[in-house]
Amino acid sequence: GAVVSQHPSRVICKSGTSVKIECRSLDFQATTMFWYRQFPKKSLMLMATSNEGSKATYEQGVEKDKFLINHASLTLSTLTVTSAHPEDSSFYICSARDSSKLAGGQNIQYFGAGTRLSVL
Amino acid sequence: KQEVTQIPAALSVPEGENLVLNCSFTDSAIYNLQWFRQDPGKGLTSLLLIQSSQREQTSGRLNASLDKSSGRSTLYIAASQPGDSATYLCAVSNAGKSTFGDGTTLTVKP
Repeated sequence: GAVVSQHPSRVICKSGTSVKIECRSLDFQATTMFWYRQFPKKSLMLMATSNEGSKATYEQGVEKDKFLINHASLTLSTLTVTSAHPEDSSFYICSARDSSKLAGGQNIQYFGAGTRLSVL
Repeated sequence: KQEVTQIPAALSVPEGENLVLNCSFTDSAIYNLQWFRQDPGKGLTSLLLIQSSQREQTSGRLNASLDKSSGRSTLYIAASQPGDSATYLCAVSNAGKSTFGDGTTLTVKP
């Protein structure tokens, strides 16, 4: 089955530093990837939609300058949390949509295992 | 705006029981619906995906149904085991986005 690799799985950093999270589709191409955030005991909230070669589309209330998204290739999207603060501590999950299946009418997203960010 | 509701929020059952988790959504124009499992502090594990044209999907002891017109899906777990204890999330996909419910936290007691 399709695999999405997310790295790192866990990161602890000091307040004020920037953290980069990678999301890779290992065996398929993904023109579109999605970034989600999960607060404790809450569900996942979509942060942004990342499109290869173009700017990401951010959901209302998500700071573009805080959460930088780059989707430079068909298999890689990155989320950079800039100048991280303790309130940014959360579980971040990416998903990738298999471009080849869209033509067949299938809109399937494959999810990464997630990254737990702890900002001290 | 799509809204997804999962009932109950928490469920505790003795081992061996069959159980049903519910998921409802407000916008029936969906591409598909997925059920996930999430263990504490862990990522998502995809359990079943139902395309909008399908009525149900089965995998082992799990069976998921979809009634798109009424905006409902159920996840049936047969012969529950302590290892099934986790939070189960449903997510509906439409207009290119997935919207998640808040999940049902299941505890299966030995």
